[in-house]
Amino acid sequence: DAGVIQSPRHEVTEMGQEVTLRCKLISGHNSLFWYRQTMMRGLELLIYFNNNVPIDDSGMPEDRFSAKMPNASFSTLKIQPSEPRDSAVYFCASLSPGGRYGYTFGSGTRLTVV
Amino acid sequence: QQPVQSPQAVILREGEDAVINCSSSKALYSVHWYRQKHGEAPVFLMILLKGGEQKGHEKISASFNEKKQQSSLYLTASQLSYSGTYFCGTEQRSWGKLQFGAGTQVVVTP
Repeated sequence: DAGVIQSPRHEVTEMGQEVTLRCKLISGHNSLFWYRQTMMRGLELLIYFNNNVPIDDSGMPEDRFSAKMPNASFSTLKIQPSEPRDSAVYFCASLSPGGRYGYTFGSGTRLTVV
Repeated sequence: QQPVQSPQAVILREGEDAVINCSSSKALYSVHWYRQKHGEAPVFLMILLKGGEQKGHEKISASFNEKKQQSSLYLTASQLSYSGTYFCGTEQRSWGKLQFGAGTQVVVTP
C-alpha cells in the first residue's frame, strides 16, 4: 500500500494565482481530512469528507478556499486567489476503517505565496 | 475546543523518562497521539477510547482519564529516536473531527 500521496511536495506561487493541491487516499479508507500547519496556529482542520461527502467545512478560512472529492480515492484543495498569509504546509490525512489505526497523513505540500 | 498540552517543550538525556499531558474542556470520545519529526508528516502512535484504557507502543505508553478529560503520554527510558514534536488529538464523538493540541517538543540528547 503506497499510503496517502500528496502533490506537489512544494509549491511557490505569486499572490493572486490559483493553487491546486492534490491528495490520493489509501484504498479502503473512506474519510479524508485536510489540515494546514503553521508555526503560529499549529495543525488546523480545514475540511473533512466521509464517503466523498463534505461533513464539516467550518475550518475553511474563507471563500477563497474550496475542496472537492470527486471519487473515493482522490481530493483537491484549491485556493483562488492565493495570498501570502496562505503560506503553510498543507496535509491531507485518511482515517482507517473503524478508526483504530488513527490517521495516516500524506507527506504534505509546502506552499509559499510571494 | 483545542486540547491543551503541557509542557511546551522538554529536554531529556537518553534513558530518562518524561510525561506529556493533554486536557480538554469537553467530554471526549477518544484521544490520539502522534509524533512529528522535523520536515515530516505526523505519525500515528496510539488511540485511546473512553473507558480509561491504557496502551503502549514500545516504551511509549498512554492513559486516558475519561472523567477528567485528560490523557498522558509516558516516554520511558527515552531513546534518541524519540525526539520530535508530540501532538495529542481529541475527538468528541466517533467519526468526528480530530482537534490537535499545540504540540510538545521533545529533545533527547546523548
